[in-house]
Amino acid sequence: DIVMTQTPLSSPVTLGQPASISCRSSQSLVHSDGNTYLSWFQQRPGQPPRLLIYKISNRFSGVPDRFSGSGAGTDFTLKISRVETEDVGVYYCMQGTQFPRTFGRGTKVEIK
Amino acid sequence: EVQLVESGGGLVQPGGSLRLSCAASGFTFKSYEMNWVRQSPGKGLEWLSYISVSGGTIYYADSVKGRFTVSRDNANNSLHLQMDSLRAEDTAVYYCARGMTTLAYWGQGTLVTVSS
Repeated sequence: DIVMTQTPLSSPVTLGQPASISCRSSQSLVHSDGNTYLSWFQQRPGQPPRLLIYKISNRFSGVPDRFSGSGAGTDFTLKISRVETEDVGVYYCMQGTQFPRTFGRGTKVEIK
Repeated sequence: EVQLVESGGGLVQPGGSLRLSCAASGFTFKSYEMNWVRQSPGKGLEWLSYISVSGGTIYYADSVKGRFTVSRDNANNSLHLQMDSLRAEDTAVYYCARGMTTLAYWGQGTLVTVSS
């Protein structure tokens, strides 16, 4: 199984400042079709997860442009350019290249 | 609007069974792959199962293989998860989610508690 390692586990951020979350996979996420199926999800308190980013860097419908994804191969990053109050929650990366699908352990973003 | 609504959760004794359902609306259900994902209290997300559009291809996480069975009813726009031989560690909120290589839409979840 592909192990997804997220860092940090917790990220206290000042409002209006950037935040960055790293996700590393134990093996390459490049699929045989040439795509890299790395997604990012946001889970606000008491809510189900919500898709933010798919295929490394594609923002899902309705996702603000302050969220961006980057990376390749085994190393990926989610960035929030200017953190807002509504961004508080836990963020997960997930690989969709191979079964079983696997998630990172989550990164809690909170306001300082 | 895409909607996924889970039902069937509740309290069950260890060793018991439960059948979860996910009612889909707002999209052509028979054209999309579906998944089950769970989240134990205060913990992270665990993918459990995938089913293809026809139901002909199915995958499970090792933690539930042989105990859980996923199925779908395209005529009635519903997804199901039959859970047998339940254990305390199966206590979680269970989500259905749409997608193949990503999980674009999620339901609100249904809570399953396994306890005597």
